[in-house]
Amino acid sequence: KNQVEQSPQSLIILEGKNCTLQCNYTVSPFSNLRWYKQDTGRGPVSLTIMTFSENTKSNGRYTATLDADTKQSSLHITASQLSDSASYICVVSEVESGGGADGLTFGKGTHLIIQP
Amino acid sequence: DGGITQSPKYLFRKEGQNVTLSCEQNLNHDAMYWYRQDPGQGLRLIYYSQIVNDFQKGDIAEGYSVSREKKESFPLTVTSAQKNPTAFYLCASSIQGTSYGYTFGSGTRLTVV
Repeated sequence: KNQVEQSPQSLIILEGKNCTLQCNYTVSPFSNLRWYKQDTGRGPVSLTIMTFSENTKSNGRYTATLDADTKQSSLHITASQLSDSASYICVVSEVESGGGADGLTFGKGTHLIIQP
Repeated sequence: DGGITQSPKYLFRKEGQNVTLSCEQNLNHDAMYWYRQDPGQGLRLIYYSQIVNDFQKGDIAEGYSVSREKKESFPLTVTSAQKNPTAFYLCASSIQGTSYGYTFGSGTRLTVV
């Protein structure tokens, strides 16, 4: 069964510090991996999307890495800000057949709190 | 601006009542999806639709129903058969046949009172 495991479940850091969130997956065959940011009570917003051939992608202070061999990804946040407080969700897509929509597997998310 | 609009943001349901959650998109996406989000759990797929007048059950379809009469609209009805409906519901859309371009709405929080 396809699975996406995220760690840690929750994390508290001080404003201005860096942090790294982890995502391990067993989805196969792999198509792409994406990181989403979800503010409390809001829908997820895409941060990065990476395919098999990409091993790093940045979006401002967010940098995602992908190791397709070990099936691991990380999201690094640099110089954290109070607005980074949110849940970060890792989503892995398998190669779809016939355009099926059940090719996405969602992690449970990491709840990040930035303290002033 | 293009996007997905979910309404209402908050919804309260009495025991035994059916309620309908609205999802409208103007992204010209063919595919639309409904997810349920519970605390400490990943998103779970309820129903999805790849084209108008066609939809498929997801992993947790029991107690829910949908319709897809228009490309832009994919309403979700939470029926009285859904025994634990309190949750955060998210609608999403994408270009048909691909998971790229997945866009989520802002969600509806449903509470049973």
